[in-house]
Amino acid sequence: QQQVKQSPQSLIVQKGGIPIINCAYENTAFDYFPWYQQFPGKGPALLIAIRPDVSEKKEGRFTISFNKSAKQFSLHIMDSQPGDSATYFCAANLLGSARQLTFGSGTQLTVLP
Amino acid sequence: DTAVSQTPKYLVTQMGNDKSIKCEQNLGHDTMYWYKQDSKKFLKIMFSYNNKELIINETVPNRFSPKSPDKAHLNLHINSLELGDSAVYFCASSQGGADTQYFGPGTRLTVL
Repeated sequence: QQQVKQSPQSLIVQKGGIPIINCAYENTAFDYFPWYQQFPGKGPALLIAIRPDVSEKKEGRFTISFNKSAKQFSLHIMDSQPGDSATYFCAANLLGSARQLTFGSGTQLTVLP
Repeated sequence: DTAVSQTPKYLVTQMGNDKSIKCEQNLGHDTMYWYKQDSKKFLKIMFSYNNKELIINETVPNRFSPKSPDKAHLNLHINSLELGDSAVYFCASSQGGADTQYFGPGTRLTVL
């Protein structure tokens, strides 16, 4: 059972465009929602994260929007660049002593020059 | 300095063999993890471990076992390898209840 659903599977935008990646979760116990960025041949790296007590968080060109009532959150990339081309994963974390991340299925983003 | 390192980077082996993947972190973290990434890039937690508890994802076959000789290391042992075990395995670490997990570069396992 997939607890975090991510869409779209792939996304192609022109340089300067604003790609948006969406995620929905089922478990209301989740209390932490990070986004990870993965380049080919590398491990995922934390990009930005949000907790359910805020509706938006910005870090540079990356913004997370969070809708607690709808159990949805999304990543927006402003002024996207070819160097942003990567696979993006949303994730959610359960309360507990060992913070086990549940990942979405990933979105392969391509930013054309 | 590499924060989380894994060896080997590539592992090719025959079905039925037993193999190990090593993971080391120099971040001083006390919690380590193993994830499996399949051919569709789907990432799934296998284990999380600190000096107090081991949490095993219920879907992980008991042919897989984590072994931690000390806080900085969490190795993954796999017995009787099967074709379906082919994947990229990632080690990660975090500090206690901290939310940020730092991933290693991955080990691509191919079972023939």
